[in-house]
Amino acid sequence: DIEMTQSPSSLSASVGDRVTITCRASESINNYLNWYQQKPGRAPHLLIQAASSLQGGAPSRFSGSGSGTDFTLTISSLQPEDFAVYYCQQSFSFPPTFGQGTKVEIK
Amino acid sequence: QVQLVESGGGLVEPGGSLRLSCGASGFTFSDFYMSWIRQAPGKGLEWVSYISGSGITIYYADSVKGRFTISRDSAKSSLFLQMNSLRAEDTAVYFCARRRRNYDNIYAFDIWGQGTMVTVSS
Repeated sequence: DIEMTQSPSSLSASVGDRVTITCRASESINNYLNWYQQKPGRAPHLLIQAASSLQGGAPSRFSGSGSGTDFTLTISSLQPEDFAVYYCQQSFSFPPTFGQGTKVEIK
Repeated sequence: QVQLVESGGGLVEPGGSLRLSCGASGFTFSDFYMSWIRQAPGKGLEWVSYISGSGITIYYADSVKGRFTISRDSAKSSLFLQMNSLRAEDTAVYFCARRRRNYDNIYAFDIWGQGTMVTVSS
């Protein structure tokens, strides 16, 4: 199975900060990488598909980049509603696997 | 609107069984692979099983193979997960999710239900 490793596991940031989350795959997955946001008590929500394709309705402050083994999710200016856990997920090979999550907390 | 609603969770003793259901609306159910994904309390996400739109192609995670059975009823736009021989480590919120492929054939889980909690404990 392809292992997905996110860093950091958690971070504290203030409203307006630029935030970057990294996801590393244990082998190359081209751009078969998705990002999800999960708020407490809620289901995950697809933010970005195929490493950089922002989903309809997702704010433009979110962006994704990367290819191969290294990927990033960037929030250009953190808003109060962005405090959540973010997961990366690879769909390059079976089985689909998720990173362990990055919790974005209020500083 | 596009929606998935799970039901059927609850408390069950180790070794017991439970059947989860997921009702879909707002899209052509038979056009999509569907999946179950679970999340243990305070933990991350774990993919459990897939079923193709026709119901012919099915995959399972090694952790549930031989114990869980996924199925679907396209006439009723419903997805099911029969869980047998349940273990404490199966305790989790179970989400059903739609799998969507983009123009580059890269798939993602684009629609999720609200989840249903399964607790395996004596």
